[in-house]
Amino acid sequence: GAVVSQHPSWVICKSGTSVKIECRSLDFQATTMFWYRQFPKQSLMLMATSNEGSKATYEQGVEKDKFLINHASLTLSTLTVTSAHPEDSSFYICSARVPPRTGSYEQYFGPGTRLTVT
Amino acid sequence: AQSVTQPDIHITVSEGASLELRCNYSYGATPYLFWYVQSPGQGLQLLLKYFSGDTLVQGIKGFEAEFKRSQSSFNLRKPSVHWSDAAEYFCAVGAGEYGNKLVFGAGTILRVKS
Repeated sequence: GAVVSQHPSWVICKSGTSVKIECRSLDFQATTMFWYRQFPKQSLMLMATSNEGSKATYEQGVEKDKFLINHASLTLSTLTVTSAHPEDSSFYICSARVPPRTGSYEQYFGPGTRLTVT
Repeated sequence: AQSVTQPDIHITVSEGASLELRCNYSYGATPYLFWYVQSPGQGLQLLLKYFSGDTLVQGIKGFEAEFKRSQSSFNLRKPSVHWSDAAEYFCAVGAGEYGNKLVFGAGTILRVKS
């Protein structure tokens, strides 16, 4: 099956610094990737849709200047949390869309990245 | 706007017993519906999906779900639970092209007792 990886799996950073999270589709090409955020004991919230070669589309309420998304290749999307603050601490999950022959699009999820900002 | 409600935060069942996880959705059009399972350290795994057609959907690991439009529900079932089924389960409704923009429920944590 399709595999999506994320790196790092967890990261601790100091307030005010930036941190980059990578999302890779390992055995397929993904023109579209998605970034989600999951707070403790809560559900996943879609942050943005990342399209290869074009600007990301952000959901309402998500600061695009704070959460920079780059989808430079068909197998890699990155999320950079700029000037991180403790309230940015969360579990960030990416997914990649693969269009199978049947025409329905499934998303495959990465294992997530735990970000803690001190 | 679309939304998903999973009324049960935690459910505990005995191994070998049957399971039903509830999911209610709100969506104006014909919904794309999904059930995912999340285990610690693992990415969300798709159990099954409903796009159209037969309202009883079979998935992996012996799970099935039934779409009931009149009740706006998409409950997940399994006739006999195994200890390895202990995990968190998320119901999601998809909007947009082929249901790609997923809106998730809050999740149900399943505990299996031996």
